[in-house]
Amino acid sequence: SQQGEEDPQALSIQEGENATMNCSYKTSINNLQWYRQNSGRGLVHLILIRSNEREKHSGRLRVTLDTSKKSSSLLITASRAADTASYFCATDAGGTYKYIFGTGTRLKVLA
Amino acid sequence: GAGVSQSPSNKVTEKGKDVELRCDPISGHTALYWYRQSLGQGLEFLIYFQGNSAPDKSGLPSDRFSAERTGGSVSTLTIQRTQQEDSAVYLCASSPRGGAKETQYFGPGTRLLVL
Repeated sequence: SQQGEEDPQALSIQEGENATMNCSYKTSINNLQWYRQNSGRGLVHLILIRSNEREKHSGRLRVTLDTSKKSSSLLITASRAADTASYFCATDAGGTYKYIFGTGTRLKVLA
Repeated sequence: GAGVSQSPSNKVTEKGKDVELRCDPISGHTALYWYRQSLGQGLEFLIYFQGNSAPDKSGLPSDRFSAERTGGSVSTLTIQRTQQEDSAVYLCASSPRGGAKETQYFGPGTRLLVL
């Protein structure tokens, strides 16, 4: 299966600290996306990184992509309690419409 | 509406009954996805609609599951003869054209519990 796997499965940090989550996948991709999910409901898109990009920033988010290792990381800087959520990576199957979602990292930011 | 809506929010049913879950995508979005998320798990792709093309049903877990999309807008996911293992959150998402670089906009989901 191409399903991405996030690491760690769960992460608990203090407010103000940085949070790093990793995603590994198995087959070649064109694009990788990160999503956030609050309280087991709908997902919200955070950022998309293309296979020819190595790093991308959006506000307090920094995403890296290493296609040689088939891995990506999501860094949230200066975390806030409101960042508490599950974070998923999603990979396309070689550029198709079908994204495969990983199992997610549950982040808890303690105030 | 401004976003993707799903109904009902929660559904409790008895084993063996049929259920219908509804999704209203963002107006103008031609691509529509259904996913299933079991407790504490990732999203499992179920089915994909794009315009008038034949849907990609490759993720449907059994023939008890079916979906349709009428008029290229509203979609209904039907589960016949529900089983306890069908209990999950069913998420719908839409995107403008279904391209690989597009953001998927998710609805809040329907939480299904089969007793």
